[in-house]
Amino acid sequence: GNSVTQMEGPVTLSEEAFLTINCTYTATGYPSLFWYVQYPGEGLQLLLKATKADDKGSNKGFEATYRKETTSFHLEKGSVQVSDSAVYFCALSSNTGNQFYFGTGTSLTVIP
Amino acid sequence: DTGVSQDPRHKITKRGQNVTFRCDPISEHNRLYWYRQTLGQGPEFLTYFQNEAQLEKSRLLSDRFSAERPKGSFSTLEIQRTEQGDSAMYLCASSSGGGTARYEQYFGPGTRLTVT
Repeated sequence: GNSVTQMEGPVTLSEEAFLTINCTYTATGYPSLFWYVQYPGEGLQLLLKATKADDKGSNKGFEATYRKETTSFHLEKGSVQVSDSAVYFCALSSNTGNQFYFGTGTSLTVIP
Repeated sequence: DTGVSQDPRHKITKRGQNVTFRCDPISEHNRLYWYRQTLGQGPEFLTYFQNEAQLEKSRLLSDRFSAERPKGSFSTLEIQRTEQGDSAMYLCASSSGGGTARYEQYFGPGTRLTVT
């Protein structure tokens, strides 16, 4: 079956620190992979995506590379800001895009 | 484009009552999804519509749950004989059909259900 396992939080970092949030997956076929973000008081928003192996998704300074050999899609940012404080969800879709599977979320707090 | 809207935003009901939630997707989106999210967890997929056809249903969707999208626009999710375990945030998302855009889901604010 399809599932996503992501790093447990909460994570607390100082401003300008390097961020990694680990995500690994189990899937049949050829899933697409995603990171969603939920800022305090707001709905889920797509942060970045990768639709095939070795693709790198990027947005707002965040990056993640689809690694089929390690079944991973780790989220990274070189220098976090206070405004990056949010809950981050790793997700995968079925081949058809008809079903999506989310991880449990990782809460990030960035302190000045 | 006003985004995905959901109504009501909050619902408190007594165990055993029926409830119905509505989702209005982004107007040109033909794909619509329902999820359930409990505290500290990620969204759990419930069901998927392409236009008016319900193409996927999760095993999480018991017989007490039914969803419709009668004209391929708005959708409703009904829960019959609610149980305390149904207390959760119910999320709706939509996406367009073409190419990789079908993976770009836009989420609504959710309906928070509390069953007492």
